[in-house]
Order: sequence, then structure tokens, then C-alpha cells
Amino acid sequence: EAQVTQNPRYLITVTGKKLTVTCSQNMNHEYMSWYRQDPGLGLRQIYYSMNVEVTDKGDVPEGYKVSRKEKRNFPLILESPSPNQTSLYFCAGGFGDTQYFGPGTRLTVL
Amino acid sequence: QKEVEQDPGPLSVPEGAIVSLNCTYSNSAFQYFMWYRQYSRKGPELLMYTYSSGNKEDGRFTAQVDKSSKYISLFIRDSQPSDSATYLCAPQGGSEKLVFGKGTKLTVNP
Repeated sequence: EAQVTQNPRYLITVTGKKLTVTCSQNMNHEYMSWYRQDPGLGLRQIYYSMNVEVTDKGDVPEGYKVSRKEKRNFPLILESPSPNQTSLYFCAGGFGDTQYFGPGTRLTVL
Repeated sequence: QKEVEQDPGPLSVPEGAIVSLNCTYSNSAFQYFMWYRQYSRKGPELLMYTYSSGNKEDGRFTAQVDKSSKYISLFIRDSQPSDSATYLCAPQGGSEKLVFGKGTKLTVNP
């Protein structure tokens, strides 16, 4: 069964404290991506990766970093989180009709 | 003009009703059209996938694409309370980026 896992599922942190949200897929797919979902703004892509060591910016990359050192993992890094990064984050593995989303990480930055 | 426009609703219908959900888009390069369903507190899941213009049916769901008018629709027949969710349209093509509509929240009342 295709599965994308994210951790943590919920996180409350303070401004400026570096954090990492992990994402892992079991589908062996080259393509992975990160989205944030905000009320009234919908799902917006932050970063995507077409393969190991290949990443590119989505629509809202400012304040985020990613790395893709192995095919199954695609962590999202917030070096210095700010309150405007409070959001619901989704990782996805695959693309088009083979895209699967993780369960989401609800992040609150105080 | 935004790439994808979707009426956010909310839409409330009685059980058994026919539901019509719609999106318009501006990018003529879009070739693939997806509908995702997102239950509360869950990640989006792919519901329908169509390529180019035409109709595609899957059980009670029908996806319709009219590329000439850049209009995509999702019809739900005999709607059930379990169909209550947010529905997101997602056209794609011309790049590796997937663009999402903001989603329409549907409630089917028993």
C-alpha cells in the first residue's frame, strides 16, 4: 500500500527555533513535494524534488529549506520559523495520478 | 488572472442530490486534470484523473473537461453523507508543478 508518513503531526514552537519536519514515502517515486494549506489560500507548493539531490522552488519557498539525500526521504527545514509560517503542511510522494499525500503536520509558531 | 479559480462554497445539499463542482483555469498548457477529495483533518486523496477534453466516469463520480472554455467539472450522483468533504481541482501540464484550486467544501445532509 502506497504510504507517505510525516512527523511530527502537531508541533508548537517559538519564533526563531529551528525545526525539521520529516517525510518518508514507500513508493520508490522520484518526485516528492511539500505544500502548505491555509484558509482562503488553498494548497500552495513550497518545494519539490524530481530526484535525489534535485530540488526546486515552488510557489512559496521563502523561509524554507529542503534536502533530498535519499529517494524515500524529503525533510522540510525551517531555519528560523516565524508566526506567518503557522500552517498545515503536507508532504506528497509521486506525481499526477500517482501522487499520495501524507496526513499533514499542523505547525504553530508563537 | 489566477491560474485556477474554484468557488469555495460552502455547498450544502440533501442526501441523494446531484452535486456539481466546477473550476476554471487560464493556462492553456494544462493537459491533465485531477480532482482530490480532502476529509477534515486528513491529507488530500486523488479522486479522479482525466487527460485532455472529455468525460470520465467512476461509479457515482463523473469528471468533465472542456478545454475550449477552460472549464472542469466534477459531478456526484446520488450524493451520500460520506461524500461530505472539501473537493480540490488540480490541473497540470507544461511544467512539473501542480496547481490546486482553493477547494469547495461540500456537506451532504442525511
